[in-house]
Amino acid sequence: GQNIDQPTEMTATEGAIVQINCTYQTSGFNGLFWYQQHAGEAPTFLSYNVLDGLEEKGRFSSFLSRSKGYSYLLLKELQMKDSASYLCAARWRKLQFGAGTQVVVTP
Amino acid sequence: DADVTQTPRNRITKTGKRIMLECSQTKGHDRMYWYRQDPGLGLRLIYYSFDVKDINKGEISDGYSVSRQAQAKFSLSLESAIPNQTALYFCATSDPSTDTQYFGPGTRLTVL
Repeated sequence: GQNIDQPTEMTATEGAIVQINCTYQTSGFNGLFWYQQHAGEAPTFLSYNVLDGLEEKGRFSSFLSRSKGYSYLLLKELQMKDSASYLCAARWRKLQFGAGTQVVVTP
Repeated sequence: DADVTQTPRNRITKTGKRIMLECSQTKGHDRMYWYRQDPGLGLRLIYYSFDVKDINKGEISDGYSVSRQAQAKFSLSLESAIPNQTALYFCATSDPSTDTQYFGPGTRLTVL
């Protein structure tokens, strides 16, 4: 099956920037999602990239390189409430989720 | 009001019992899904349905069954629950043009 790789955990300081990388198999790829999930809650949609490039939404940006099978989610001006798991999900014929990256924001 | 609702939100049951988890959505989407989430494994697809007459197995369907009672309702059953089915279960519906998933609040199931 298709694999999605993302780091297990990242720690950053309040006000800083964190970049969460995600790699996936390129064959049959149709698009890439990022979701945010706070502990015990449902995942919520952050972004969807189909074309190469950077898409910015406020403090969050998502980048995609289709040829490299690579995406990243950039979180700027980190706030304590950004402490959560960030799920990368790639769409082939079906959608598949990565295991998630736990981001811990420290004061 | 929430677009996707799940009942119950928490359930503790014993091995061998039959359990039904229910999901309703008001987004008007045809596509609905059931996932389970385990620590370190991410979200895994159990079953999905693209319309009322369509049911498809996901990657981990063994031990589960589903029923699509209407466009808005999709239920998941565990015919004979076992401890390794202890997990957080999410229902979702998706936008057909992009497959963006909209999740319910989840059901925490514990099988003793």
